Amino acid sequence: GENVEQHPSTLSVQEGDSAVIKCTYSDSASNYFPWYKQELGKRPQLIIDIRSNVGEKKDQRIAVTLNKTAKHFSLHITETQPEDSAVYFCAASISGGSYIPTFGRGTSLIVHP
Amino acid sequence: ETGVTQSPTHLIKTRGQQVTLRCSSQSGHNTVSWYQQALGQGPQFIFQYYREEENGRGNFPPRFSGLQFPNYSSELNVNALELDDSALYLCASSLIGQGAWETQYFGPGT
Repeated sequence: GENVEQHPSTLSVQEGDSAVIKCTYSDSASNYFPWYKQELGKRPQLIIDIRSNVGEKKDQRIAVTLNKTAKHFSLHITETQPEDSAVYFCAASISGGSYIPTFGRGTSLIVHP
Repeated sequence: ETGVTQSPTHLIKTRGQQVTLRCSSQSGHNTVSWYQQALGQGPQFIFQYYREEENGRGNFPPRFSGLQFPNYSSELNVNALELDDSALYLCASSLIGQGAWETQYFGPGT
């Protein structure tokens, strides 16, 4: 089955700095890669996603890049703000058919004012 | 916030007991997925229901079972509870049939 590795487990940055979280996946058939933000005591919320036919996607301060050859994808947050502090999860899945997404173990992002 | 709701909010059970958790999907969605999230871990996929049938299952034993109703709401049933079942249980709804069907919206969890 699919295996998703996420690094780092903890990331501490100063407000205004950039943050990068990386995930690798094992199943080359995976073609959908969402990122979720989970604040303490709250539900995971989708912040951005990318499909395998696209190499990069941006949404304001957030971007995701995908390297299908190397089987890794990354979340980039620019101009970080204290409210970006949360746990971020990546996931990988195969679109269509039986849907079995695999999540990474999460990255705790701390943005210091 | 999404329109996905779950009940109960919190629950305490004893080992060996059975539990039923409920999820109401977001309006217009036809698919419900269930996840187990242990403390400090990512969500682990349990199963997904689409049109009242199981549409995929993760690595969970048969004592984890589910249902989906005609209104697309869903139940997760766990029999013979074990200590390791202690976790946050999340449901997520999505819409199969219109483009980005994998886009899931999570409930608040039980």
